[in-house]
Amino acid sequence: ETGVTQTPRHLVMGMTNKKSLKCEQHLGHNAMYWYKQSAKKPLELMFVYSLEERVENNSVPSRFSPECPNSSHLFLHLHTLQPEDSALYLCASSQEGYNEQFFGPGTRLTVL
Amino acid sequence: GNSVTQMEGPVTLSEEAFLTINCTYTATGYPSLFWYVQYPGEGLQLLLKATKADDKGSNKGFEATYRKETTSFHLEKGSVQVSDSAVYFCALSGFPNAGKSTFGDGTTLTVKP
Repeated sequence: ETGVTQTPRHLVMGMTNKKSLKCEQHLGHNAMYWYKQSAKKPLELMFVYSLEERVENNSVPSRFSPECPNSSHLFLHLHTLQPEDSALYLCASSQEGYNEQFFGPGTRLTVL
Repeated sequence: GNSVTQMEGPVTLSEEAFLTINCTYTATGYPSLFWYVQYPGEGLQLLLKATKADDKGSNKGFEATYRKETTSFHLEKGSVQVSDSAVYFCALSGFPNAGKSTFGDGTTLTVKP
């Protein structure tokens, strides 16, 4: 595997389910990010991890819970989501500094 | 804080037409500037970048020049193809948030044969 991978690519869940999104980067980067991309809305930065420590949480509801067990892996744990949480969730990684980000293909989440 | 403003879309062009997507930014100091492209069903991917004033980034026939005096980084291509249909995002990374990028809202480009 190369670059940034995300699983699953598609997820349909009910409002009472618990699920997790997984992201893995194979680039040796030390920062990882979760973004939410909804139709007709700007890209929303949700969480930033730098050196495995969460450095930013942009007022994201507690039903989203990130986890970064090491510099290569990032998870987003989901529970009791709302239909408005349906979106494309993108993971990205970068090397600290004024550098570009490398994105995964995203997980298309639908909450019923 | 840092911000990026890019041309609103959608933009529709005929094949072989000239493309310009405007991007201006507000930032402290000397940020790095980027253009990303997102094809349908995919994540964003870096198209080109410039890290200092007057640098020109280029890739796949696309170009953008870092203009500090006008705080702009406009994307251009001389002759677009149907395969260039995508969403284009202008972004910057700079003080005080090294490691975090600020993105524009995205511009949807459709190229018709």
